Amino acid sequence: AQKITQTQPGMFVQEKEAVTLDCTYDTSDPSYGLFWYKQPSSGEMIFLIYQGSYDQQNATEGRYSLNFQKARKSANLVISASQLGDSAMYFCAMREGSDRDDKIIFGKGTRLHILP
Amino acid sequence: DSGVTQTPKHLITATGQRVTLRCSPRSGDLSVYWYQQSLDQGLQFLIQYYNGEERAKGNILERFSAQQFPDLHSELNLSSLELGDSALYFCASSVEGQGSEQFFGPGTRLTVL
Repeated sequence: AQKITQTQPGMFVQEKEAVTLDCTYDTSDPSYGLFWYKQPSSGEMIFLIYQGSYDQQNATEGRYSLNFQKARKSANLVISASQLGDSAMYFCAMREGSDRDDKIIFGKGTRLHILP
Repeated sequence: DSGVTQTPKHLITATGQRVTLRCSPRSGDLSVYWYQQSLDQGLQFLIQYYNGEERAKGNILERFSAQQFPDLHSELNLSSLELGDSALYFCASSVEGQGSEQFFGPGTRLTVL
């Protein structure tokens, strides 16, 4: 079973609108972390935002916020006031459990297109 | 710029050959991770090293091996290359065990002909 599910393979959004990219995860570990990465067409992976499973508040970083709904195992990324430069592939990812093992499991990604 | 460097940026080689990909982590980061990104498999974790020791293993083929050196740089060795090994190989580094983000290098694009 997939541990990270991103149900939107692609999205088209008008510039300046807010965008929500969906992500659900599956884990039985009480301690985990959730990440969002952006991959522009140039190929590099850019870290956007992190949410720990014990964090009480939703993470925010500038125009990015993470809508963390623990009971629903959902970690949606919200981008406010979208810009043309936001066009990219977005990956949701999860790190489970132990301090010793920091591997991250990635979802298949959502390709976001911002329209002028 | 994440501070993680990878060389080479592009690599074109033939089936059956062996290549070495190199990664230098961010200053102060002790953990190095290798990922493979291909069109059909997506982004797959291969292996993690921490301060010279292997810490976690993912979907890494037996034909592939890695190591982390005392200066903390890491190398990923790919041997007996097959067409299906063509992919973007990322290295990432992080502060160990803190649940913090992993910073990715620019990747090495490997093409096997």
